[in-house]
Amino acid sequence: QKEVEQNSGPLSVPEGAIASLNCTYSDRGSQSFFWYRQYSGKSPELIMSIYSNGDKEDGRFTAQLNKASQYVSLLIRDSQPSDSATYLCAVTVSGTALIFGKGTTLSVSS
Amino acid sequence: NAGVMQNPRHLVRRRGQEARLRCSPMKGHSHVYWYRQLPEEGLKFMVYLQKENIIDESGMPKERFSAEFPKEGPSILRIQQVVRGDSAAYFCASSPPDSPINEQFFGPGTRLTVL
Repeated sequence: QKEVEQNSGPLSVPEGAIASLNCTYSDRGSQSFFWYRQYSGKSPELIMSIYSNGDKEDGRFTAQLNKASQYVSLLIRDSQPSDSATYLCAVTVSGTALIFGKGTTLSVSS
Repeated sequence: NAGVMQNPRHLVRRRGQEARLRCSPMKGHSHVYWYRQLPEEGLKFMVYLQKENIIDESGMPKERFSAEFPKEGPSILRIQQVVRGDSAAYFCASSPPDSPINEQFFGPGTRLTVL
């Protein structure tokens, strides 16, 4: 059974700090990896995608992928209260269906 | 460029009634996916469709649920004889054709409440 695991949190960081979110996946055949942000009562919003080992940066966000360790992470620099949300890690195996983790709740205090 | 559109945003049904959820993908996108998010649960894949074809329905319950994406018009997720356990948020996502990474963009969702 293909699984994606995340620490449910809450992860609490002060404003301006770096938030580090982690995710592991079980299927070595996983091809692409995504981070979505979901505010309470809203739909998931794609914030990062990565498919090669290493780092990918976009603004304050950096995604890191290590396929050997089956590990993907998201770093949020200069965290803002508006970053407070649930962050969902998702992977695809066959390039179609996304398999989601249950999400990590991030709380950024001002 | 309009995003993924879903309607209705909220739907209330009594047990035994039918629910029809509609999804229009982003402009230029021809792949549609349906996901369900139960309270306190993660998002679960249900079905993947292209125009007039169901590509993967491995996540669909075997009974009462069906989906279509006709040549013209939106994709429809149909739930017959709803039960209280069907109460959830149903999200549609779309992706462009021939995308090697398959980034999927979500609509606002339909919140189904079964009384």
